[in-house]
Amino acid sequence: DGGITQSPKYLFRKEGQNVTLSCEQNLNHDAMYWYRQDPGQGLRLIYYSQIVNDFQKGDIAEGYSVSREKKESFPLTVTSAQKNPTAFYLCASTLDPGELFFGEGSRLTVL
Amino acid sequence: GIQVEQSPPDLILQEGANSTLRCNFSDSVNNLQWFHQNPWGQLINLFYIPSGTKQNGRLSATTVATERYSLLYISSSQTTDSGVYFCAVGPSETSGSRLTFGEGTQLTVNP
Repeated sequence: DGGITQSPKYLFRKEGQNVTLSCEQNLNHDAMYWYRQDPGQGLRLIYYSQIVNDFQKGDIAEGYSVSREKKESFPLTVTSAQKNPTAFYLCASTLDPGELFFGEGSRLTVL
Repeated sequence: GIQVEQSPPDLILQEGANSTLRCNFSDSVNNLQWFHQNPWGQLINLFYIPSGTKQNGRLSATTVATERYSLLYISSSQTTDSGVYFCAVGPSETSGSRLTFGEGTQLTVNP
């Protein structure tokens, strides 16, 4: 079945460590996104990519990095520069224009 | 940027009741989507509805773009309808415009 796969679902990190969250889609979508969700709040855009080898910062890009080497993959690295990284991270993709589809999310906890 | 306000913030219903959720936005939009987030965090796209009316089973949505609001109707609610409903808007129908999410409406349907 077509869809968006995020891994890992749960991740624990010590302060000062970088961590990479995986996002893979087999929907043949051009555009991919990373959102962050804090408890009781809406989603905020971290980075997005409309095409391979190109990506743009969203509203809260500081402390994060991404790459888009393949159409199917859009990994997110949470660096040690991100001051409050504990959150729920959601990857999404879309045909352009069209509905936004989400993965199941990754919960990151910094110990 | 565009401001998105959803109301009510919380809603508690008995199974079988009907409800209306509202999304107000501050500027012209050409992209408006409704999502349901289940208790496990999964976000499901309900409607892509920048204007007009759509129906899908017990759910329907109406967007009046000229008056800058959208409504989501849930009829004969079921316990599985519980979760958070988000409205997201953008000025362009393409992904070049980033969607702005509202804070959501937390719906609880009691048996």
